[in-house]
Amino acid sequence: QVQLVESGGGVVQPGRSLRLSCAASGFTFSNYAMQWVRQAPGKGLEWVAVISYDGSNKYYADSLKGRFTISRDNSKNTLYLQMNSLGAEDTAVYYCARPPSYCSGGSCYSHFDYWGQGTLVTVSS
Amino acid sequence: EIVMTQSPATLSVSPGERATLSCRASQSVSSNLAWYQHKPGQAPRLLIYGASTRATGIAARFSGSGSGTEFTLTINSLQSEDFAVYFCQQYNNWPVTFGQGTKVEI
Repeated sequence: QVQLVESGGGVVQPGRSLRLSCAASGFTFSNYAMQWVRQAPGKGLEWVAVISYDGSNKYYADSLKGRFTISRDNSKNTLYLQMNSLGAEDTAVYYCARPPSYCSGGSCYSHFDYWGQGTLVTVSS
Repeated sequence: EIVMTQSPATLSVSPGERATLSCRASQSVSSNLAWYQHKPGQAPRLLIYGASTRATGIAARFSGSGSGTEFTLTINSLQSEDFAVYFCQQYNNWPVTFGQGTKVEI
């Protein structure tokens, strides 16, 4: 069955960096675009970024101001989110999610077929 | 961006009863609307996409309706495992956006 397992969250000081990972299994990872979505405490979900099946296309939420980078390693079935210059506003549970196969290019809008359980990032001094 | 507003924030229902959850979009999203179920510590689960199409393996007691700006998720004959948070998502416009969620409690 499809599994998405996030890791790499934790407590980090403001201004520092953190890299999240999402290990995928149960499907052909290299055929699917992948996305990151986050949820700050007491807030709704916020879309963060998407990467196409082959990593050639990447799109980000405007609010991130170029601080985050999404990437993938299809040989390892793993998705990444590099987060730099972290601030308190980045405190959230970060989820990886898989859109349907017809959105493999990354640029279409879609629902998400599968999600991971999330990893908590806390930015605090 | 499109703002998704869900109501009520919390819905208290008894097992066996029907729950009706609402999701409103700030502008038309056509039928590009999904519903998810989220339990604490678990991955969100897709229930409905295309406003009314049940995802694979989803029980028939879950149904979605609506188009444009007004959408409804109906859960008939609530089971114990249905008590959770439900949120909607529009994917008609970039960026995709989500509602704040409705907690269905006993």
